[in-house]
Amino acid sequence: GENVEQHPSTLSVQEGDSAVIKCTYSDSASNYFPWYKQELGKRPQLIIDIRSNVGEKKDQRIAVTLNKTAKHFSLHITETQPEDSAVYFCAASDSGYALNFGKGTSLLVTP
Amino acid sequence: DAGVIQSPRHEVTEMGQEVTLRCKPISGHNSLFWYRQTMMRGLELLIYFNNNVPIDDSGMPEDRFSAKMPNASFSTLKIQPSEPRDSAVYFCAIGGTSGTLSTDTQYFGPGTRLTVL
Repeated sequence: GENVEQHPSTLSVQEGDSAVIKCTYSDSASNYFPWYKQELGKRPQLIIDIRSNVGEKKDQRIAVTLNKTAKHFSLHITETQPEDSAVYFCAASDSGYALNFGKGTSLLVTP
Repeated sequence: DAGVIQSPRHEVTEMGQEVTLRCKPISGHNSLFWYRQTMMRGLELLIYFNNNVPIDDSGMPEDRFSAKMPNASFSTLKIQPSEPRDSAVYFCAIGGTSGTLSTDTQYFGPGTRLTVL
């Protein structure tokens, strides 16, 4: 089955700096890669996703890149703000149904 | 709000008791997923349904866990008997669109925080 590794497990940046979270996956058949943000006590919420026919996708301060050859994808957050502090999860899908999640990255943005 | 209602939001029970968690998804999505989240194990997929049919229950930890989806707008996850190690947040998520079998975005419900004493 699919195995998703996520790094780092914790990340601390100063407000205004950029944050990068990286994930690798094992199944070359995976074709869908979403990112979720989870605030304390809340549900995971989709913030951006990318499909295997695209190498990069942007949405305001958030971007995701995908390298299918290397089987890794990354989340980039620019101009970080304190409200970006949360746990971020990457995921990959190879079955057409189920998502395999990484273990999460706890991002702290300090003012 | 992604249109997924879960109840109860919090449940505290004693070891050995039966626990039933409920999920009511909005219409128009043909896939439903049950996840469990703990600090130690992260987000784990327990089971998922497509068009009300269980597709993969390999994530269900033990026979004490069972899930049903009698119709497109209701699903239950039951634990009988419950144990302290079942304490976790249980999320229901919906995905897919009517008439498709391909991967789609998944939207999570608010979750049920279960504590087994």
